[in-house]
Amino acid sequence: EDKVVQSPLSLVVHEGDTVTLNCSYEVTNFRSLLWYKQEKKAPTFLFMLTSSGIEKKSGRLSSILDKKELSSILNITATQTGDSAIYLCAVRGAGNMLTFGGGTRLMVKP
Amino acid sequence: DTAVSQTPKYLVTQMGNDKSIKCEQNLGHDTMYWYKQDSKKFLKIMFSYNNKELIINETVPNRFSPKSPDKAHLNLHINSLELGDSAVYFCASSPGLAAAYEQYFGPGTRLTVT
Repeated sequence: EDKVVQSPLSLVVHEGDTVTLNCSYEVTNFRSLLWYKQEKKAPTFLFMLTSSGIEKKSGRLSSILDKKELSSILNITATQTGDSAIYLCAVRGAGNMLTFGGGTRLMVKP
Repeated sequence: DTAVSQTPKYLVTQMGNDKSIKCEQNLGHDTMYWYKQDSKKFLKIMFSYNNKELIINETVPNRFSPKSPDKAHLNLHINSLELGDSAVYFCASSPGLAAAYEQYFGPGTRLTVT
């Protein structure tokens, strides 16, 4: 069974701090890894990673995949209160189904 | 314009009842999904439906059945509701099943079974 583990489970930081969220996976026939941000309702897409070592960047957020270590990190620099959310990592394996991790709950205090 | 919509947003019902949740996407996508998110925020895939091909997560009880009247709709029907069915159910869609596609999520339906 495919498995995705995220750490830490929760994180409290102050505005301006930099955070690193971790995602590790065990999946049959890895195809892609996705990061989502979930605030009050629907998860919204952040990044999709398929190749090792290539950083994807969007504003203050960036992410990179390490297929050797079966992991990915999501970095957020200069955090803002609007970054407070649950960050979900998902992996697509055989059958094209997404397996989600339990999420990291990030709280950014003013 | 809402890309993926679900109705109702909230559903409170008693054990043993049968209920349906509707999902519609206006993105022209070929593939739709249903997910269940439990109280611990774990999102688990229940079904994917692509060109009339249904892929079922084997852990989903057969009380749950997806019904797709057309490509833009994938409704979730639940028979004989149980307390453990209480969760938030998300519908999602993607252009296809290929690994290159991300999934777009609907706003969720919070189901409470009493």
